[in-house]
Amino acid sequence: EDQVTQSPEALRLQEGESSSLNCSYTVSGLRGLFWYRQDPGKGPEFLFTLYSAGEEKEKERLKATLTKKESFLHITAPKPEDSATYLCAGANAGGTSYGKLTFGQGTILTVHP
Amino acid sequence: NAGVTQTPKFQVLKTGQSMTLQCAQDMNHNSMYWYRQDPGMGLRLIYYSASEGTTDKGEVPNGYNVSRLNKREFSLRLESAAPSQTSVYFCASSGRGQFTDTQYFGPGTRLTVL
Repeated sequence: EDQVTQSPEALRLQEGESSSLNCSYTVSGLRGLFWYRQDPGKGPEFLFTLYSAGEEKEKERLKATLTKKESFLHITAPKPEDSATYLCAGANAGGTSYGKLTFGQGTILTVHP
Repeated sequence: NAGVTQTPKFQVLKTGQSMTLQCAQDMNHNSMYWYRQDPGMGLRLIYYSASEGTTDKGEVPNGYNVSRLNKREFSLRLESAAPSQTSVYFCASSGRGQFTDTQYFGPGTRLTVL
């Protein structure tokens, strides 16, 4: 059974204090690792897709990396507006063209000014 | 582009009542999905439609039915609501429905069943 585990469950940072969020996965034939941001009361907002180990993608203060067993979301010099829940999800190979996404439970990030 | 829209935003039902959640996308995507999100459980797939005219069960389909009305619209129906169906429901869509495609989510419907 596919599993995605995120840690920590919650992370509190001071503005400017860099850190990383972890996403460990056991997904059959991983074909894509997705990161989303979710603000309270809203739907998940797409951030990144990573397809193969060693791949990195960046957007503003965020950088996502992928190894064969886990993905990291690095946050450099965070600002209060980066406060949100960050979700990761793995897509398996699937028996047909559709691959099931398995989501982690998310990391709640709070950045204090 | 509005992206993925959902109606209603909030709903309160009594046990046994029925209702339909509506979802529409304007991105010309082939595939659409319904998820529920519960505290501590993450997002779980209820049903999906890989393309117009097809629907399939996801991880937690019991108590729900779906209709892919056309390429744009995908509805979720609760025939006889139960308190266990209290949740936040999200609709999503993706371009080709393949595993490498990004799913884009709507704003959600917050449902309470009393």
